[in-house]
Order: sequence, then C-alpha cells, then structure tokens
Amino acid sequence: IAGITQAPTSQILAAGRRMTLRCTQDMRHNAMYWYRQDLGLGLRLIHYSNTAGTTGKGEVPDGYSVSRANTDDFPLTLASAVPSQTSVYFCASSRSTTDTQYFGPGTRLTVL
Amino acid sequence: GQNIDQPTEMTATEGAIVQINCTYQTSGFNGLFWYQQHAGEAPTFLSYNVLDGLEEKGRFSSFLSRSKGYSYLLLKELQMKDSASYLCAAIDSNYQLIWGAGTKLIIKP
Repeated sequence: IAGITQAPTSQILAAGRRMTLRCTQDMRHNAMYWYRQDLGLGLRLIHYSNTAGTTGKGEVPDGYSVSRANTDDFPLTLASAVPSQTSVYFCASSRSTTDTQYFGPGTRLTVL
Repeated sequence: GQNIDQPTEMTATEGAIVQINCTYQTSGFNGLFWYQQHAGEAPTFLSYNVLDGLEEKGRFSSFLSRSKGYSYLLLKELQMKDSASYLCAAIDSNYQLIWGAGTKLIIKP
C-alpha cells in the first residue's frame, strides 16, 4: 500500500509556464487537500475536495485550479506560474472532513 | 479572524520533558490535532483531542481545554530523533483545519 503519492518530487519552472502537480491516494479517502508551506507561515490550504466530483477554495486559491474526477486523484494546476508560487506543496487526504489528514511526501517547486 | 498561536522555537535536553503550548481562536471548534514534521519531510499525525483532558500515547501526551482555547503537547524522555517541528491545528465550524506556524524543537545532548 503506497498511501498517498505526489509527483514530481521537485521542479524548477520558468515564470509564465503551466504546471500540474499530481496527487494520488489508494486509501479510498473521500476528502483531499492541497496545501502550500512557506517558511514561518505554516500550512495554508489552497483547494480541497470533500468527495469525488466536488471542489472548494481554501485560504489561498488564486492562481491555482483543481479537479476531482475520481476518488483517487486530485491534481493541482498552476495556469501561469509566478515566482511567488515558489513553495513546498503537500497533498493530503482523510476519510472524512473531521478525520486525520495523511500527507504525501511533497513537491518542492521553484518558479524563476 | 481565526488564529493559532504557538512558540516559534524551543530548546530542550535529551532525556528531559518539554511542553509545547498552543492557543487557538476559531469560528467554532471541532477538535485539535498535533502533527510532527521533520525537516524536509511531510507532517505526520501525533494526536487528536476533541474533549477536555489529557490523551496519553507512549512518550507523547496531548491536553485540551476548550473553555480556555488551549492545548499542549507533552514530550517525555526526549530523544535526539524528537528534534522536529510540531504543528498545532484546530478544526473550525466549516470542518477546515486551521494550522499554526509550528514550533521548532531543538534537542541538545
């Protein structure tokens, strides 16, 4: 059982380019989340999905989009990357919105 | 606004006990989590409190006082591998997790 995986592990991206971060879980969890983590700011929620077919905006959604076509996958897309999107991105999942969240290993993204 | 406060950094000695405090102000409250995060790694679950009182799990214990908006994580018999950041997070009325910035714990021999 892999749990929750993310790809790529790290990426350097030119500003203005489009980028999709992938997240897959095999725990059949209903809820999935995307966070960014920056030094001194803690984890900030970008987008979430309480169940397949639904998505919602978190604290910092601007510049990002998500989709949840099935239970397992929750990709995050940066339509036109900007340097302020340089961060570590974590995907997480939980059985329900009140259950423990389990995190993927993260993607370190640098936008130049 | 919603807010989680915890100390930025703490230092403790191997073998000792350390208490990491967390205060929260959220719109509604549906529980509080503690996570551990080693440098360069993902957060991992440590404990969950929804009722007042102490939850003990081996060397780690977590306490909650809902009336005071206060929680602490107690780590006993500290080991060098406990050097990490400890994240406090509260569930608000919309069932979203509000995260603190984390407390970096440094363990010295």
